[in-house]
Amino acid sequence: DTAVSQTPKYLVTQMGNDKSIKCEQNLGHDTMYWYKQDSKKFLKIMFSYNNKELIINETVPNRFSPKSPDKAHLNLHINSLELGDSAVYFCASSPYSGATDTQYFGPGTRLTVL
Amino acid sequence: DAKTTQPNSMESNEEEPVHLPCNHSTISGTDYIHWYRQLPSQGPEYVIHGLTSNVNNRMASLAIAEDRKSSTLILHRATLRDAAVYYCILRSGYALNFGKGTSLLVTP
Repeated sequence: DTAVSQTPKYLVTQMGNDKSIKCEQNLGHDTMYWYKQDSKKFLKIMFSYNNKELIINETVPNRFSPKSPDKAHLNLHINSLELGDSAVYFCASSPYSGATDTQYFGPGTRLTVL
Repeated sequence: DAKTTQPNSMESNEEEPVHLPCNHSTISGTDYIHWYRQLPSQGPEYVIHGLTSNVNNRMASLAIAEDRKSSTLILHRATLRDAAVYYCILRSGYALNFGKGTSLLVTP
Protein backbone atom coordinates (compact mmCIF):
# COMPACT_ATOMS: atom_id res chain seq x y z
CA ASP A 1 0.00 0.00 0.00
CA THR A 2 3.00 2.28 -0.44
CA ALA A 3 1.83 5.66 -1.72
CA VAL A 4 5.06 6.78 -3.40
CA SER A 5 7.59 4.08 -4.15
CA GLN A 6 11.07 4.28 -5.59
CA THR A 7 13.40 1.65 -6.99
CA PRO A 8 16.10 0.87 -6.27
CA LYS A 9 16.56 1.88 -2.65
CA TYR A 10 20.34 1.78 -3.00
CA LEU A 11 22.40 2.21 -6.14
CA VAL A 12 26.19 1.88 -6.24
CA THR A 13 27.89 2.44 -9.56
CA GLN A 14 31.08 3.56 -11.24
CA MET A 15 31.79 7.00 -12.65
CA GLY A 16 30.78 7.32 -16.26
CA ASN A 17 27.93 4.83 -16.10
CA ASP A 18 24.31 5.56 -17.00
CA LYS A 19 21.63 4.69 -14.47
CA SER A 20 17.91 5.15 -13.90
CA ILE A 21 15.78 5.56 -10.81
CA LYS A 22 12.08 4.74 -11.02
CA CYS A 23 9.22 6.35 -9.14
CA GLU A 24 5.59 5.35 -8.96
CA GLN A 25 2.67 6.83 -7.05
CA ASN A 26 -0.69 5.17 -6.50
CA LEU A 27 -2.41 8.24 -5.09
CA GLY A 28 -3.93 9.41 -8.36
CA HIS A 29 -1.98 12.67 -8.15
CA ASP A 30 -1.41 14.92 -11.14
CA THR A 31 2.02 16.27 -10.20
CA MET A 32 5.31 14.53 -9.48
CA TYR A 33 8.71 15.85 -8.43
CA TRP A 34 12.34 14.88 -8.10
CA TYR A 35 14.44 16.30 -5.25
CA LYS A 36 18.11 15.81 -4.47
CA GLN A 37 19.51 15.72 -0.91
CA ASP A 38 23.26 16.13 -0.84
CA SER A 39 25.78 15.09 1.82
CA LYS A 40 25.13 18.30 3.77
CA LYS A 41 21.46 17.32 3.92
CA PHE A 42 20.21 20.17 1.74
CA LEU A 43 17.07 19.20 -0.18
CA LYS A 44 16.67 20.86 -3.57
CA ILE A 45 13.99 20.58 -6.21
CA MET A 46 15.22 19.26 -9.55
CA PHE A 47 12.17 18.68 -11.73
CA SER A 48 8.40 18.68 -11.62
CA TYR A 49 5.86 17.18 -14.00
CA ASN A 50 2.17 17.96 -14.11
CA ASN A 51 0.07 15.53 -16.14
CA LYS A 52 3.18 14.29 -17.92
CA GLU A 53 4.33 17.81 -18.83
CA LEU A 54 7.48 19.38 -17.44
CA ILE A 55 6.66 22.44 -15.30
CA ILE A 56 9.82 22.89 -13.25
CA ASN A 57 13.33 22.38 -14.49
CA GLU A 58 15.83 23.83 -12.06
CA THR A 59 19.48 24.35 -12.88
CA VAL A 60 20.41 20.73 -13.26
CA PRO A 61 23.06 19.33 -15.63
CA ASN A 62 21.51 18.03 -18.83
CA ARG A 63 22.96 14.62 -17.94
CA PHE A 64 19.81 14.34 -15.82
CA SER A 65 16.69 13.59 -17.84
CA PRO A 66 13.29 12.97 -16.30
CA LYS A 67 10.76 10.88 -18.15
CA SER A 68 7.08 10.57 -17.36
CA PRO A 69 5.47 7.71 -19.31
CA ASP A 70 2.16 8.33 -17.56
CA LYS A 71 0.74 10.34 -14.66
CA ALA A 72 1.66 7.69 -12.11
CA HIS A 73 5.33 7.39 -13.04
CA LEU A 74 8.29 9.75 -13.12
CA ASN A 75 11.66 8.20 -13.81
CA LEU A 76 15.05 9.85 -13.56
CA HIS A 77 17.78 8.88 -15.97
CA ILE A 78 21.34 10.01 -15.32
CA ASN A 79 24.04 9.82 -17.99
CA SER A 80 27.81 9.80 -17.45
CA LEU A 81 27.59 9.68 -13.66
CA GLU A 82 30.03 11.83 -11.70
CA LEU A 83 31.25 11.64 -8.11
CA GLY A 84 29.23 14.75 -7.28
CA ASP A 85 26.01 12.99 -8.23
CA SER A 86 26.26 10.91 -5.06
CA ALA A 87 23.23 11.87 -3.00
CA VAL A 88 19.82 10.70 -1.90
CA TYR A 89 17.16 11.29 -4.54
CA PHE A 90 13.56 11.69 -3.43
CA CYS A 91 10.49 11.42 -5.58
CA ALA A 92 7.31 13.17 -4.47
CA SER A 93 3.77 13.64 -5.71
CA SER A 94 0.93 16.06 -5.01
CA PRO A 95 -2.72 16.28 -6.06
CA TYR A 96 -2.11 19.37 -8.18
CA SER A 97 0.65 21.97 -8.39
CA GLY A 98 -0.08 24.91 -6.16
CA ALA A 99 1.03 26.68 -3.05
CA THR A 100 -1.40 24.88 -0.76
CA ASP A 101 -1.12 21.27 -1.85
CA THR A 102 0.62 18.61 0.18
CA GLN A 103 3.56 16.74 -1.25
CA TYR A 104 4.01 13.07 -0.44
CA PHE A 105 7.57 11.82 -0.57
CA GLY A 106 9.00 8.44 -1.38
CA PRO A 107 11.58 6.68 0.80
CA GLY A 108 14.52 7.88 -1.28
CA THR A 109 17.20 6.27 -3.43
CA ARG A 110 20.75 6.51 -2.13
CA LEU A 111 23.07 6.83 -5.11
CA THR A 112 26.78 6.27 -4.56
CA VAL A 113 29.15 6.95 -7.43
CA LEU A 114 32.61 5.41 -7.03
CA ASP B 1 11.91 33.05 -2.67
CA ALA B 2 11.66 34.60 0.75
CA LYS B 3 13.99 33.03 3.29
CA THR B 4 13.33 31.46 6.66
CA THR B 5 15.55 31.32 9.72
CA GLN B 6 15.33 28.46 12.19
CA PRO B 7 17.54 27.37 15.09
CA ASN B 8 19.92 24.59 14.10
CA SER B 9 18.81 22.33 16.90
CA MET B 10 16.46 22.06 19.85
CA GLU B 11 15.99 19.56 22.62
CA SER B 12 12.86 18.47 24.42
CA ASN B 13 11.84 16.00 27.05
CA GLU B 14 9.38 13.32 26.12
CA GLU B 15 5.72 14.15 26.75
CA GLU B 16 6.42 17.87 27.04
CA PRO B 17 5.28 20.52 24.55
CA VAL B 18 7.76 21.74 21.96
CA HIS B 19 7.73 25.15 20.32
CA LEU B 20 9.76 25.33 17.12
CA PRO B 21 10.27 28.92 15.95
CA CYS B 22 10.71 30.22 12.42
CA ASN B 23 11.48 33.77 11.32
CA HIS B 24 10.48 34.95 7.86
CA SER B 25 10.69 38.73 7.90
CA THR B 26 10.59 39.05 4.07
CA ILE B 27 7.43 36.98 3.61
CA SER B 28 5.14 38.19 0.84
CA GLY B 29 1.37 38.32 0.91
CA THR B 30 1.02 35.24 -1.27
CA ASP B 31 3.44 33.04 0.66
CA TYR B 32 1.96 30.14 2.56
CA ILE B 33 3.91 28.87 5.57
CA HIS B 34 4.48 25.13 5.33
CA TRP B 35 6.11 22.78 7.81
CA TYR B 36 7.56 19.43 6.85
CA ARG B 37 9.66 17.07 8.89
CA GLN B 38 12.17 14.42 7.97
CA LEU B 39 12.66 11.46 10.25
CA PRO B 40 16.05 9.72 10.08
CA SER B 41 16.57 7.83 6.81
CA GLN B 42 13.11 8.74 5.52
CA GLY B 43 11.59 11.14 3.04
CA PRO B 44 10.11 14.43 4.22
CA GLU B 45 6.60 14.31 5.66
CA TYR B 46 3.98 17.06 5.62
CA VAL B 47 3.10 18.47 9.03
CA ILE B 48 0.93 21.54 8.61
CA HIS B 49 0.51 24.77 6.66
CA GLY B 50 -1.22 28.12 7.02
CA LEU B 51 -1.53 31.60 5.57
CA THR B 52 -2.65 34.05 8.24
CA SER B 53 -4.70 32.28 10.90
CA ASN B 54 -3.49 29.74 13.41
CA VAL B 55 -4.04 26.15 12.31
CA ASN B 56 -4.48 22.88 14.15
CA ASN B 57 -4.37 19.31 12.92
CA ARG B 58 -3.81 15.91 14.46
CA MET B 59 -0.04 16.28 14.30
CA ALA B 60 0.60 19.82 15.46
CA SER B 61 -0.51 23.43 15.74
CA LEU B 62 0.81 26.37 13.77
CA ALA B 63 0.82 29.78 15.39
CA ILE B 64 1.36 32.66 12.96
CA ALA B 65 2.32 36.12 14.17
CA GLU B 66 -0.08 38.92 13.31
CA ASP B 67 2.48 40.57 11.01
CA ARG B 68 3.32 37.13 9.56
CA LYS B 69 7.03 37.71 10.03
CA SER B 70 7.36 34.71 12.27
CA SER B 71 5.58 31.48 13.08
CA THR B 72 5.83 28.67 15.61
CA LEU B 73 5.18 24.99 15.16
CA ILE B 74 3.81 23.47 18.34
CA LEU B 75 4.01 19.78 19.15
CA HIS B 76 1.71 19.38 22.12
CA ARG B 77 3.34 16.28 23.61
CA ALA B 78 6.65 15.28 22.14
CA THR B 79 7.31 11.58 21.69
CA LEU B 80 10.52 9.83 20.77
CA ARG B 81 9.06 9.36 17.30
CA ASP B 82 8.98 13.15 16.85
CA ALA B 83 12.78 13.31 16.73
CA ALA B 84 13.39 14.67 13.24
CA VAL B 85 14.53 17.68 11.24
CA TYR B 86 11.70 20.19 11.00
CA TYR B 87 11.60 22.49 7.99
CA CYS B 88 9.75 25.79 7.82
CA ILE B 89 9.11 26.68 4.17
CA LEU B 90 7.53 29.69 2.49
CA ARG B 91 5.69 28.69 -0.59
CA SER B 92 3.92 30.62 -3.33
CA GLY B 93 4.42 28.21 -6.20
CA TYR B 94 4.94 24.62 -7.10
CA ALA B 95 8.15 23.69 -5.39
CA LEU B 96 9.17 23.32 -1.78
CA ASN B 97 12.44 25.14 -1.13
CA PHE B 98 13.91 23.48 1.92
CA GLY B 99 16.34 25.31 4.20
CA LYS B 100 18.53 23.80 6.88
CA GLY B 101 15.71 23.13 9.31
CA THR B 102 15.78 22.49 13.04
CA SER B 103 17.00 19.16 14.31
CA LEU B 104 14.77 18.18 17.23
CA LEU B 105 16.14 15.82 19.83
CA VAL B 106 13.62 14.20 22.18
CA THR B 107 14.97 12.63 25.32
CA PRO B 108 13.13 10.11 27.52
